[in-house]
Amino acid sequence: KQEVTQIPAALSVPEGENLVLNCSFTDSAIYNLQWFRQDPGKGLTSLLLIQSSQREQTSGRLNASLDKSSGRSTLYIAASQPGDSATYLCAVASNSGYALNFGKGTSLLVTP
Amino acid sequence: SAVISQKPSRDICQRGTSLTIQCQVDSQVTMMFWYRQQPGQSLTLIATANQGSEATYESGFVIDKFPISRPNLTFSTLTVSNMSPEDSSIYLCSVEEPRNTEAFFGQGTRLTVV
Repeated sequence: KQEVTQIPAALSVPEGENLVLNCSFTDSAIYNLQWFRQDPGKGLTSLLLIQSSQREQTSGRLNASLDKSSGRSTLYIAASQPGDSATYLCAVASNSGYALNFGKGTSLLVTP
Repeated sequence: SAVISQKPSRDICQRGTSLTIQCQVDSQVTMMFWYRQQPGQSLTLIATANQGSEATYESGFVIDKFPISRPNLTFSTLTVSNMSPEDSSIYLCSVEEPRNTEAFFGQGTRLTVV
């Protein structure tokens, strides 16, 4: 069964800092990996999708990398802003089954 | 992309009662997914709903407790039956079309059972 782990569980940084969120998974047989943002009362918003054949994806200040062989992904946020404060979730689509396997998330607080 | 409207956004219910959550998608999709997020936990798939057939439930979830309807390609409901405080969670519907592409989620239903 695919296990997804996110480190750290919580992070507080001052505005302007660059930061890295980590995600690891146990089974490298994946279709893709997605990073989501979860805001209270607003469900999940897809940030980046990396297909298994890709190494990284970028969107604005966000960059996500994927190392399938080692079972790791990182989400890099450049020049953090208070509006980035949210919970960030990593999810893996495995070759077996329909479920997206989620980590527990990293709760990010960016202080002004 | 897909826009998903989910309602209610939150509810407080008495134990022993049932709540039906609705999910409406702005385009036709083959499969819809229902997830549960218990406090402090990751999202867990409850079931996959296909139009015209019975939903497929994940281990630990049963149809009597979580009946699902999928009357057409844009709509689904999840009912949480005979609720107990342990059912207090966020429930979310999701679509991927085609499968294994970007997933889109509704805004979630925050359920509190008292």
